[in-house]
Amino acid sequence: AQSVTQPDIHITVSEGASLELRCNYSYGATPYLFWYVQSPGQGLQLLLKYFSGDTLVQGIKGFEAEFKRSQSSFNLRKPSVHWSDAAEYFCAVGVETSYDKVIFGPGTSLSVIP
Amino acid sequence: EAGVVQSPRYKIIEKKQPVAFWCNPISGHNTLYWYRQNLGQGPELLIRYENEEAVDDSQLPKDRFSAERLKGVDSTLKIQPAELGDSAVYLCASSTRDGGGYTFGSGTRLTVV
Repeated sequence: AQSVTQPDIHITVSEGASLELRCNYSYGATPYLFWYVQSPGQGLQLLLKYFSGDTLVQGIKGFEAEFKRSQSSFNLRKPSVHWSDAAEYFCAVGVETSYDKVIFGPGTSLSVIP
Repeated sequence: EAGVVQSPRYKIIEKKQPVAFWCNPISGHNTLYWYRQNLGQGPELLIRYENEEAVDDSQLPKDRFSAERLKGVDSTLKIQPAELGDSAVYLCASSTRDGGGYTFGSGTRLTVV
């Protein structure tokens, strides 16, 4: 069965520093991959998604993610973090090549130091 | 465009009482999902609708949970009776079938005391 792991439960970075959030998935074929962000008390917002093609995906709010098949990873990056980026970030994978059924990872909580 | 609307935002009930959550998806989104999010965890799917048909309810605890989506638009999720372990945030999401990703509502935070 597909699964998603996010090795970092919590990350703290300084404002202006670069960011990389890790995501690893378990699936035999090329999966559908997503990153969502959840601000406190809010629902989840889609940052970006990967279905096929270029392995470097650009998203909203200056985020990007790179799909690496050899490492079964889909890490999220941002070159310069803003204080407003403090939130919970969830990686997700489409189940059985479906984007209609998605499994979410446990999330990484991001804190930003001014 | 209006987003996914959920109500209420917060609900506190005593155990063994019933509770219901309501969701209005984005207009034109045929697929509707109910997720449960426990504290510190990612959302877990409870049920997925395609129009008015529940196409995946394998994770729904059917002894106490029920859901409906009349006319393929609004949806209601009910718990009866509620247990302490049901305390969580219940998220509704909707999507089209083009793989564009889900749009989530703000959720209902349920506390069972």
